[in-house]
Amino acid sequence: EVRLLESGGGFVQPGGSLILSCAASGFAFNNYAMSWVRQAPGKGLEWVSVISGSGGNTNYADSVKGRFTISRDNFNSIVSLEMNDLRVDDTAIYYCAKHPYFGGNSYFDDWGQGILVTVSS
Amino acid sequence: DIQMTQSPSTLSASVGDRVTITCRASESIRGWLAWYRQTPGRAPKLLISDVSNLQSGVPSRFSGSASGTDFTLTISSLQPDDFATYYCQQYSTYPWTFGQGTKVEIK
Repeated sequence: EVRLLESGGGFVQPGGSLILSCAASGFAFNNYAMSWVRQAPGKGLEWVSVISGSGGNTNYADSVKGRFTISRDNFNSIVSLEMNDLRVDDTAIYYCAKHPYFGGNSYFDDWGQGILVTVSS
Repeated sequence: DIQMTQSPSTLSASVGDRVTITCRASESIRGWLAWYRQTPGRAPKLLISDVSNLQSGVPSRFSGSASGTDFTLTISSLQPDDFATYYCQQYSTYPWTFGQGTKVEIK
């Protein structure tokens, strides 16, 4: 059974930083691309970033490019999202999501339960 | 960015009703479209990929279709678990984008 467990969320002031982590189990982690998707309170879904199975390819939404960095540790089956220069509109539930393939364009076939990030002064 | 426009935004229906949700892409996304269902306080769940490919374990009352840049999710007979919000998502081109969601409410 695929399990994705996010951690590292919380409250931060504007301009601050946080690192989210997602611990994966139940599948061959290094064979699959992973993404972060967020959902602002009461709003829809927004894709944030993706990393290929090897970690060699990444992509970002324009709204976070230059501020967020996605990475992965295939030995420990963890994908991380380093978030810097946080803004109020980064407040959201952040979901870790698995892709069905190593890389390339694809959908999200498994999701974590999500973790809340609140950016406020 | 490719805009995904869902309609309606809200839909009121009863158990047993046939329900149709539409998603229109602002440009061609070929067959790179998925549908998700989300209930309050829970993560989204993948229902359909590649326009019409039903995921393992998803009931056969769900189906997907396409005509050009218009995509449709149909629930043939609405069940209590189906009162939720549904999202379409294109994965043809970065940035991957979602529709704004369709909330299916109890009539």
